[in-house]
Amino acid sequence: DIVMTQSPDSLAVSLGERATINCKSSRSLSHTSNKKGYLSWYQQKPGQPPKLLISWASTREYGVPDRFSGSGSGTDFTLTINSLQAEDVAVYYCQQSLIYWTFGQGTRVEMK
Amino acid sequence: QITLKESGPTVVKPTQTLTLTCTFSGFSLSTADVAVAWIRQPPGKALEWLALIYWDNDKRYSPSLRSRLSLTKDTSRSQVVLTMTDMDPVDTATYYCVLRGSEDGPFDSWGQGALVIVSS
Repeated sequence: DIVMTQSPDSLAVSLGERATINCKSSRSLSHTSNKKGYLSWYQQKPGQPPKLLISWASTREYGVPDRFSGSGSGTDFTLTINSLQAEDVAVYYCQQSLIYWTFGQGTRVEMK
Repeated sequence: QITLKESGPTVVKPTQTLTLTCTFSGFSLSTADVAVAWIRQPPGKALEWLALIYWDNDKRYSPSLRSRLSLTKDTSRSQVVLTMTDMDPVDTATYYCVLRGSEDGPFDSWGQGALVIVSS
């Protein structure tokens, strides 16, 4: 199994400041043939299903604000939220799709 | 517009078999590279992928739960059915039906989820 580990488990950020969430996989998520990073990020607000934010490590989904960005390759990935807004308070999950599908444990982002 | 909706019992007893139905619209499970997955989330915990069925009826199951899971699809009725045997209180969770709309792609669209409580 590919194990996904996020850090930190939670963080509190002031309005307008930057939030950075890290995700580490137990093996490289870069496909040998197409070099794509098989890593997605999801946002889950209370009482709602997860929402896809970023796929292929850095491709923002249509309609996702550009303050959300994804980066990384191999085993280390990052989700950055620039200029945190109140509506960004949520739990964020990374997920690999290289071999089956596994999620990180989630990172809770709160307003300071 | 893509929608997915889970339906099934809210409460099941330990050792019983759970049957959940996903009824979807806005896409066809006969389209190449489309797949539907089931993902669950125990209260206050992380997401766990359970199973996935492809457009061509190929199936994948979580290795840790494979012996208990079964997936079927009815393309004409736009439904996917998940069966999970020998339910236990630790299986209490919200069960999501999810679309994977492209080859090797992410989980694009999620149903609202169905809470299943395992209790005697």
